[in-house]
Amino acid sequence: EPEVTQTPSHQVTQMGQEVILRCVPISNHLYFYWYRQILGQKVEFLVSFYNNEISEKSEIFDDQFSVERPDGSNFTLKIRSTKLEDSAMYFCASSDSGAHSYEQYFGPGTRLTVT
Amino acid sequence: QQQVKQSPQSLIVQKGGISIINCAYENTAFDYFPWYQQFPGKGPALLIAIRPDVSEKKEGRFTISFNKSAKQFSLHIMDSQPGDSATYFCAACTSGTYKYIFGTGTRLKVLA
Repeated sequence: EPEVTQTPSHQVTQMGQEVILRCVPISNHLYFYWYRQILGQKVEFLVSFYNNEISEKSEIFDDQFSVERPDGSNFTLKIRSTKLEDSAMYFCASSDSGAHSYEQYFGPGTRLTVT
Repeated sequence: QQQVKQSPQSLIVQKGGISIINCAYENTAFDYFPWYQQFPGKGPALLIAIRPDVSEKKEGRFTISFNKSAKQFSLHIMDSQPGDSATYFCAACTSGTYKYIFGTGTRLKVLA
């Protein structure tokens, strides 16, 4: 069964450093998302991406964040200058088009620890 | 208005029992309501979803009940099994945005 994959599974970085989280969405999906989950809290929407541009972003997704689809398979989230409060699990998700466009499939996540 | 309130925060059920998790929302523009199951260290997995034009949807042991007038929906897990022990999240979404608003999660433990 096709699945969303994410790398790395765990990233430790120092405050102020740039990190890039990588995702490979399900191959025929057209919509891509990033969510984050701070330990013990609910999953929060960050950004959605379709047709090579951001569709929607939350207030969390400020100028320190950016997303890119550098090729036909990868989808990345970059945090330019990490802060302690960026420590969280980051989930990538993707969805198909048409009747299944609302069914989002999540990857296993990248645990980001900022020290 | 964008919140989805979920209860209870945690739930303990005996094997074979019925687990019931409730969610409520305010935004009447929401028109897609999925439930996700999350095991420790894993990503949320889509379990079942419903749209407001039906009052109930059943898939195997999992049933969503939807009350449009009360702006509430719930997940029922029939014949709960220890393997169902996980955190369950409800979510809501509006047509055209694809932005999920998640509930706060319910940690379910099914005792053997």
